[in-house]
Amino acid sequence: KNEVEQSPQNLTAQEGEFITINCSYSVGISALHWLQQHPGGGIVSLFMLSSGKKKHGRLIATINIQEKHSSLHITASHPRDSAVYICAVNSGGSNYKLTFGKGTLLTVNP
Amino acid sequence: ETGVTQSPTHLIKTRGQQVTLRCSSQSGHNTVSWYQQALGQGPQFIFQYYREEENGRGNFPPRFSGLQFPNYSSELNVNALELDDSALYLCASSLQGWNTEAFFGQGTRLTVV
Repeated sequence: KNEVEQSPQNLTAQEGEFITINCSYSVGISALHWLQQHPGGGIVSLFMLSSGKKKHGRLIATINIQEKHSSLHITASHPRDSAVYICAVNSGGSNYKLTFGKGTLLTVNP
Repeated sequence: ETGVTQSPTHLIKTRGQQVTLRCSSQSGHNTVSWYQQALGQGPQFIFQYYREEENGRGNFPPRFSGLQFPNYSSELNVNALELDDSALYLCASSLQGWNTEAFFGQGTRLTVV
């Protein structure tokens, strides 16, 4: 069993829909990262969370440390949101050795 | 744009050859981490360099080695390339410390034939 599990693996939505991507982890962590990866490879850091909730534009990330679970929400989804969304956890204290989930491929159709 | 630059962007090598990948870290960042991402998988931690020394290593054989220079840029070297080394190689720069944010480069796509 992977230390970081994401669901769903693939998600197709219509423009405007509310999107939720889930991440569960099995180790103690000091922080959780949500990352976005577009075709071609480059990764962009969306959020780093150690508790509670963060919001940036149409993106919202929440984490429940007791339940070892985090969610990434996208409101009013748009075709440009289509990408792979990756959850990664930092269990080492310092920021090295991030452990990544396999990612969720999101496709938003116009 | 993160300010983390990787070169080259794409590379094709033959099995048994050696390859060097480069990463220029974001200005002010003293730590570079390298990851391997096989097709359809999440990235796997290779190693991290902090102030020119290796500061942690994942489950990769010794033929994966690295360097960090005084300007904090870094190289990943892979000797005796194998077909399974074909992957996207990502570097991330950050400040050393508790839960500092990492900034990723665009990656180098390595194909071993």
